[in-house]
Amino acid sequence: DAEITQSPRHKITETGRQVTLACHQTWNHNNMFWYRQDLGHGLRLIHYSYGVQDTNKGEVSDGYSVSRSNTEDLPLTLESAASSQTSVYFCASSGPGDTEAFFGQGTRLTVV
Amino acid sequence: AQTVTQSQPEMSVQEAETVTLSCTYDTSESDYYLFWYKQPPSRQMILVIRQEAYKQQNATENRFSVNFQKAAKSFSLKISDSQLGDAAMYFCAYRSAHFNKFYFGSGTKLNVKP
Repeated sequence: DAEITQSPRHKITETGRQVTLACHQTWNHNNMFWYRQDLGHGLRLIHYSYGVQDTNKGEVSDGYSVSRSNTEDLPLTLESAASSQTSVYFCASSGPGDTEAFFGQGTRLTVV
Repeated sequence: AQTVTQSQPEMSVQEAETVTLSCTYDTSESDYYLFWYKQPPSRQMILVIRQEAYKQQNATENRFSVNFQKAAKSFSLKISDSQLGDAAMYFCAYRSAHFNKFYFGSGTKLNVKP
């Protein structure tokens, strides 16, 4: 079965460190997204990609970057982790004919 | 950008009773999709139901149904015969038919009392 996986599931890092969260999907979807989930804010879009070499900023992109070198992966990098980036991060994907988004299981990131 | 509003941060329902979760959205587009996702404590995001804006008929999936009011930009979720397993956070989401981006509401936490 096709799926979308995130790693790690949990991570604790120190302020100022660079952190990369992995996202891998086997749906062969062109569209991939990164969201962060915070209480009271729901899911907010960080970055998204519509295909290889295509990346776009979402509404809360400051301090984050992504790259898309193949269809399957969209890693999210925190350049210099800050305490405000403590959150649960979700990766999602969708295809051209699919109307829904398929989600990974989430990564809980704590910045201390 | 489109906005999705869920005005009920938390709700409670008695087991076997019916509950309705509210959602409103703001858009100038005529073609779009609306979704309800369920997030149990496992954190997994699970699609509950979807509605295409061009369809007048309200979507139904077993005990879950929606009341889609396009003119009012309202999209509520009704859960009938509530079960303990329905306890979760519920998110309303919007997606343009032309731009593949999803916008989410802030969520409603549903408690189910035995």
